Amino acid sequence: DADVTQTPRNRITKTGKRIMLECSQTKGHDRMYWYRQDPGLGLRLIYYSFDVKDINKGEISDGYSVSRQAQAKFSLSLESAIPNQTALYFCATSDFHGGANVLTFGAGSRLTVL
Amino acid sequence: EDQVTQSPEALRLQEGESSSLNCSYTVSGLRGLFWYRQDPGKGPEFLFTLYSAGEEKEKERLKATLTKKESFLHITAPKPEDSATYLCAVQAGGSNYKLTFGKGTLLTVNP
Repeated sequence: DADVTQTPRNRITKTGKRIMLECSQTKGHDRMYWYRQDPGLGLRLIYYSFDVKDINKGEISDGYSVSRQAQAKFSLSLESAIPNQTALYFCATSDFHGGANVLTFGAGSRLTVL
Repeated sequence: EDQVTQSPEALRLQEGESSSLNCSYTVSGLRGLFWYRQDPGKGPEFLFTLYSAGEEKEKERLKATLTKKESFLHITAPKPEDSATYLCAVQAGGSNYKLTFGKGTLLTVNP
């Protein structure tokens, strides 16, 4: 089984619908992240969580919300999806000990908003 | 603002034809520079972390090097299975979490 599992892997939805992307990890890491990847752009951070009670906005959080249900679970919600939220979404985890923050990524969730 | 620029955007090589990918960066202090490999339909996979100028790391046909302004990913005698997008990212010295990613270089190795 993968260390970081994302569901669904692919989703097509319509404008205005609520969408939830789920992420679970078996790494035992405290830190979890949601990134967005668009063609021609680098990965951009949406939200991050250092533990269950610590959730923070990233650089592009507008239109998104998150929930950290447990150390191993971190979900991303789009309350009312819009077409420019069509993208590839990645969940990641890290085990930070004061040095470099090495990320372990899931396989991605491809979201299309019509 | 931290910035990462990768070049070229795409590179096509013949099997066995060695080359290098470039990652130029500006960052407020450098805590770490990272290289990741991303295959189509998959998430980025960690390759290397470099911490200071002059450092080098190797893994199979890949060698990453670091200067104060850029990093190179050297690919020696590549094979078709080395085809992927290679991503570079930096972490500033004052941050314990934020990575700034480049747009990536798409490498294609033809048999």
